[in-house]
Amino acid sequence: EAQVTQNPRYLITVTGKKLTVTCSQNMNHEYMSWYRQDPGLGLRQIYYSMNVEVTDKGDVPEGYKVSRKEKRNFPLILESPSPNQTSLYFCASSSLGVGSINQPQHFGDGTRLSIL
Amino acid sequence: RKEVEQDPGPFNVPEGATVAFNCTYSNSASQSFFWYRQDCRKEPKLLMSVYSSGNEDGRFTAQLNRASQYISLLIRDSKLSDSATYLCVVNSAGYALNFGKGTSLLVTP
Repeated sequence: EAQVTQNPRYLITVTGKKLTVTCSQNMNHEYMSWYRQDPGLGLRQIYYSMNVEVTDKGDVPEGYKVSRKEKRNFPLILESPSPNQTSLYFCASSSLGVGSINQPQHFGDGTRLSIL
Repeated sequence: RKEVEQDPGPFNVPEGATVAFNCTYSNSASQSFFWYRQDCRKEPKLLMSVYSSGNEDGRFTAQLNRASQYISLLIRDSKLSDSATYLCVVNSAGYALNFGKGTSLLVTP
């Protein structure tokens, strides 16, 4: 079954304690992306990657890191989490079209992160 | 001006009604356009891509107006199960993607 898998689904942690949210896809997609969703602000792109070792900042990259060492995995790292990073996070993947054409994305189930 | 703007609604319509949403975008170089639906705090799911010539999928019709920089979604014969938030998505520079904040639809019996 084609899917994007995020872990953990829920996490409550404390300020400053490094955490990693994993994302894995089994569709051999080149493009992977992380979003956060907050009430009244909608979905905002954090980082995206167009292939292995190629990553770019989205709208709200501050306080986050990503890596793309393998095609299937795109972990989101919060080195020193703060309460303003409490949010619902989604990972997504898609194939890539030619000439700056995005393809429809498949989303993971989401990760609810609470930073106390 | 925000990259992608939508009327948040809510749109309350009776079953069987036709409802239309618009979404405006600011980057004239955008090439990729989509409508997604999202049920309460679940993952967004693709409803349809939007093509230059317009496209239809059953009760749903999407249109793109490049001159005025907006896309639209028309839902005919609304069902209770259409109640959701509809997200407009447009690419910006390169492959970055911008989501609208969503339009809430409630279809009532």
